[in-house]
Amino acid sequence: DGGITQSPKYLFRKEGQNVTLSCEQNLNHDAMYWYRQDPGQGLRLIYYSQIVNDFQKGDIAEGYSVSREKKESFPLTVTSAQKNPTAFYLCASSNTRYEQYFGPGTRLTVT
Amino acid sequence: AQSVTQPDIHITVSEGASLELRCNYSYGATPYLFWYVQSPGQGLQLLLKYFSGDTLVQGIKGFEAEFKRSQSSFNLRKPSVHWSDAAEYFCAVVDNNNDMRFGAGTRLTVKP
Repeated sequence: DGGITQSPKYLFRKEGQNVTLSCEQNLNHDAMYWYRQDPGQGLRLIYYSQIVNDFQKGDIAEGYSVSREKKESFPLTVTSAQKNPTAFYLCASSNTRYEQYFGPGTRLTVT
Repeated sequence: AQSVTQPDIHITVSEGASLELRCNYSYGATPYLFWYVQSPGQGLQLLLKYFSGDTLVQGIKGFEAEFKRSQSSFNLRKPSVHWSDAAEYFCAVVDNNNDMRFGAGTRLTVKP
């Protein structure tokens, strides 16, 4: 079964700690994306990668970092510099810029 | 500023009634348009998309949407809503930089 997996589904961290969210896809898609979702604000783009070893900042990249060492994987690190990290994080992938497939999401709570 | 607007934050309809969710955009002459659905705590699922051609597009789960250039709208419709349609619905547009922009979402509640 092809798809996108995100783990874990729920993640809890103490303030000041870095945390890495996993995203894996077996759809053979070139492009991958990270979005942040907050209530009433829709989805906001954090980072995207169109090819291995290359990635671009989205609208709200501050306090986040990514890597793209393999086509299948695009992990997101939420650093301690992110002022308000508690949110629902969605990973997506696509083979064209215009049709994205989403993973199930990770809910991060920082206290 | 370029934007995607979903004017209704929350809509409640009775099961079996018709549904229309509104979406207005301000990007480009012929934008690429999408509707996604999200169940609580889940990712987004693509319902339908419009790139060009027939302005009435059919999607999954009995949904359809109509592109109206003159009104810069791409409203989602369903003739008869089922209880399982309760979810959050997002309109999205590819902007002039080829980035996908999402509306804030409309939450649909279905009354029995």
